[in-house]
Amino acid sequence: SAVISQKPSRDICQRGTSLTIQCQVDSQVTMMFWYRQQPGQSLTLIATANQGSEATYESGFVIDKFPISRPNLTFSTLTVSNMSPEDSSIYLCSVEGQGWGYTFGSGTRLTVV
Amino acid sequence: GQQVMQIPQYQHVQEGEDFTTYCNSSTTLSNIQWYKQRPGGHPVFLIQLVKSGEVKKQKRLTFQFGEAKKNSSLHITATQTTDVGTYFCAPRASNSGYALNFGKGTSLLVTP
Repeated sequence: SAVISQKPSRDICQRGTSLTIQCQVDSQVTMMFWYRQQPGQSLTLIATANQGSEATYESGFVIDKFPISRPNLTFSTLTVSNMSPEDSSIYLCSVEGQGWGYTFGSGTRLTVV
Repeated sequence: GQQVMQIPQYQHVQEGEDFTTYCNSSTTLSNIQWYKQRPGGHPVFLIQLVKSGEVKKQKRLTFQFGEAKKNSSLHITATQTTDVGTYFCAPRASNSGYALNFGKGTSLLVTP
């Protein structure tokens, strides 16, 4: 299965600032997925990122708040913009495996103060 | 749209007791995946079930897919402290996109 390197693993940020989260995959993948997981909750899909096209956002998530880049088949970034304390959460990237389910990055634990 | 309920939300057992979590869908599923997330960790793929009535085993874990492909369960026999974590189902309907959507999860606590 794919191996994903996600960073940063955690950060504490001031409100109003932005944080960019990176995910590097050790193999080429068509789609990458970004999730948010609030404390004690399930995972909520933010968007699907395809290489060479605009990301597709789920209801409740917009590009201005969560811009995504997908410059090649092994890399993607998610930016959390103009942060507020409500954005404090764990953010995870994911890719579909080859018959091995989906693989997740180790997550970015974001605290906005 | 597809409605999925995962129960129970929490389960606290003594080590050695059995544990079961259930995932129930309002619509027929194409397949269902199960994931485990340890405290502080990320979800890790456990299994995928595709066929009606399918049963798969992984050591002490038994996964079932209902005959109608609307329900699934994960049963752990003789729990150990290493089983602690949250178990999520990720059901997929035939018209689902490529991304996974997860049930709310069942958090398992095992007391020695």
